[in-house]
Amino acid sequence: GQQLNQSPQSMFIQEGEDVSMNCTSSSIFNTWLWYKQDPGEGPVLLIALYKAGELTSNGRLTAQFGITRKDSFLNISASIPSDVGIYFCAGRRGGATNKLIFGTGTLLAVQP
Amino acid sequence: DGGITQSPKYLFRKEGQNVTLSCEQNLNHDAMYWYRQDPGQGLRLIYYSQIVNDFQKGDIAEGYSVSREKKESFPLTVTSAQKNPTAFYLCASSIRSEGIQYFGAGTRLSVL
Repeated sequence: GQQLNQSPQSMFIQEGEDVSMNCTSSSIFNTWLWYKQDPGEGPVLLIALYKAGELTSNGRLTAQFGITRKDSFLNISASIPSDVGIYFCAGRRGGATNKLIFGTGTLLAVQP
Repeated sequence: DGGITQSPKYLFRKEGQNVTLSCEQNLNHDAMYWYRQDPGQGLRLIYYSQIVNDFQKGDIAEGYSVSREKKESFPLTVTSAQKNPTAFYLCASSIRSEGIQYFGAGTRLSVL
């Protein structure tokens, strides 16, 4: 099955730094979602995007739905130790099913 | 509290044995999904169901079976035909008309 190209694969940063990650696809999506997964837990929704060009914030997190509808970006400002985890993007094409296609994930490590 | 409950948290399978993973939701969602997650990889769809008594294969359905007799429940059976069952299994649910999927805490399956 298809998976989205997500980069970077991993990031090791100092507390207080800003973080950027992105997801790209060869197909157009109607919805982009960003999830965070803590070790041994299920993914938790961070941000949902529904329109091309949309820019949405959730606290220190900001995500954008790319104009081409084939990509999305997530930024985390002023990182803190609890930001550690794996971040996944997911895209939905729409239509009869709600199937999501997931990115391969970005592992974020934050050093205090 | 509304949510998705997966049980057990940890499960061990002997060779040749079938095991069943439980997924229950009280969110009144129509659609439910099962994913497999391997280390360092994204989520791969095993099966999904959009309504009671109906389900479809995902990308990696071989060696797995499901049932959807009740709206709240979507159990996954890992059969002996699945030769590499060791993985983290995630259940999710969603409103049929919406793309956002909400996840349970997962079940980690290992082979003895």
